[in-house]
Amino acid sequence: AQSVTQLDSQVPVFEEAPVELRCNYSSSVSVYLFWYVQYPNQGLQLLLKYLSGSTLVKGINGFEAEFNKSQTSFHLRKPSVHISDTAEYFCAVIHPSMNYGGATNKLIFGTGTLLAVQP
Amino acid sequence: EPEVTQTPSHQVTQMGQEVILRCVPISNHLYFYWYRQILGQKVEFLVSFYNNEISEKSEIFDDQFSVERPDGSNFTLKIRSTKLEDSAMYFCASSSGQGEGYSNQPQHFGDGTRLSIL
Repeated sequence: AQSVTQLDSQVPVFEEAPVELRCNYSSSVSVYLFWYVQYPNQGLQLLLKYLSGSTLVKGINGFEAEFNKSQTSFHLRKPSVHISDTAEYFCAVIHPSMNYGGATNKLIFGTGTLLAVQP
Repeated sequence: EPEVTQTPSHQVTQMGQEVILRCVPISNHLYFYWYRQILGQKVEFLVSFYNNEISEKSEIFDDQFSVERPDGSNFTLKIRSTKLEDSAMYFCASSSGQGEGYSNQPQHFGDGTRLSIL
């Protein structure tokens, strides 16, 4: 069974410092990888996605992530964080499949990491 | 930018009652989803819906649950005989499904409905 592990439940960091949020997945087949962000009282917003090709993926708000197949990781990074980046960040995976003539796109989420940016 | 809208934002219901959560997906999207997040736990997939039928469902999605697209714009989740453990945030999502690569189309989420069962 596929799973996504986010080892850090909370990451405190000072404003303008770099940050890395860790994500590991378990799958023996190709997957699509995503990072979503959830601001307080809001839904999930897509930050970035890895489908294929270049292992370094750039997303919105200055975030990027690197796909590492050998380590089955997809860590999220930002070189300099802002107070406004304080939010919950979720790593997720899709195992692409075809079923009944259409794809079933079940997202499997990690438990989330709360990024707490302090002044 | 078009977005997924969910109503109500908060629903309080007595145990044993039926509840309907409503969603308006992005207008030209073809795939619709429900997820839930119990407080303190991860976001879990419930069901996906395409071409007016369920395309996949999780083991959570038993006979207590049903989904419907009653018209061209709404997508609903019905929970019958609600239980205390149904208390959670329920998210609706939609994706385009256009072009190649169905699975890689990003899913757009609504802000969720917080369901509280008393």
